[in-house]
Amino acid sequence: DAGVTQSPTHLIKTRGQQVTLRCSPKSGHDTVSWYQQALGQGPQFIFQYYEEEERQRGNFPDRFSGHQFPNYSSELNVNALLLGDSALYLCASSQTDREDMGYTFGSGTRLTVV
Amino acid sequence: AQSVTQLGSHVSVSEGALVLLRCNYSSSVPPYLFWYVQYPNQGLQLLLKYTTGATLVKGINGFEAEFKKSETSFHLTKPSAHMSDAAEYFCAVSGGNSWGKLQFGAGTQVVVTP
Repeated sequence: DAGVTQSPTHLIKTRGQQVTLRCSPKSGHDTVSWYQQALGQGPQFIFQYYEEEERQRGNFPDRFSGHQFPNYSSELNVNALLLGDSALYLCASSQTDREDMGYTFGSGTRLTVV
Repeated sequence: AQSVTQLGSHVSVSEGALVLLRCNYSSSVPPYLFWYVQYPNQGLQLLLKYTTGATLVKGINGFEAEFKKSETSFHLTKPSAHMSDAAEYFCAVSGGNSWGKLQFGAGTQVVVTP
């Protein structure tokens, strides 16, 4: 059973550019959440998607946007990249209304902004 | 808002010694509590979780944690450290005021010495 798959694994972008990260959830999961993990810190919640809509959002600017497709996969888009956006971006999938089951994380996308 | 505090950003233990990682949380309602492990350049792997029921929970790789409501703690232990336990460990909380998302602590880096 494939877990959560993220692509690409690594990415280097220039300040001001735009980036799209992709995530395929674990089979049977219908909810996708995105987290940003800066170097040496714990992951920070960006937003969560369910039924192709953003259900919750953390304290991130509008430059961060997302999308969920009918097959539950998701994209994270970041516009006007800043050096401070350099981080590991983690995707987590879950079953809606089953927080007790926990969240399954992917291996992440390492974004470097130069 | 809920918060998670992990005491000690770095812990060094000898192989075979007890591993003790401390986690305290603040929440106005009973939360769900999780411990995740992150190996270098990888995503997060769930070690164990507490949702309801027995307050002593056992996880993978010989780890266990005890939920103590009166102390708002969820400390992680392993009786005998192995070299393969070297990694970063994150305590996280969800549910209650953080429904639908994980609030992480800053993490504890564990180093195991021979």
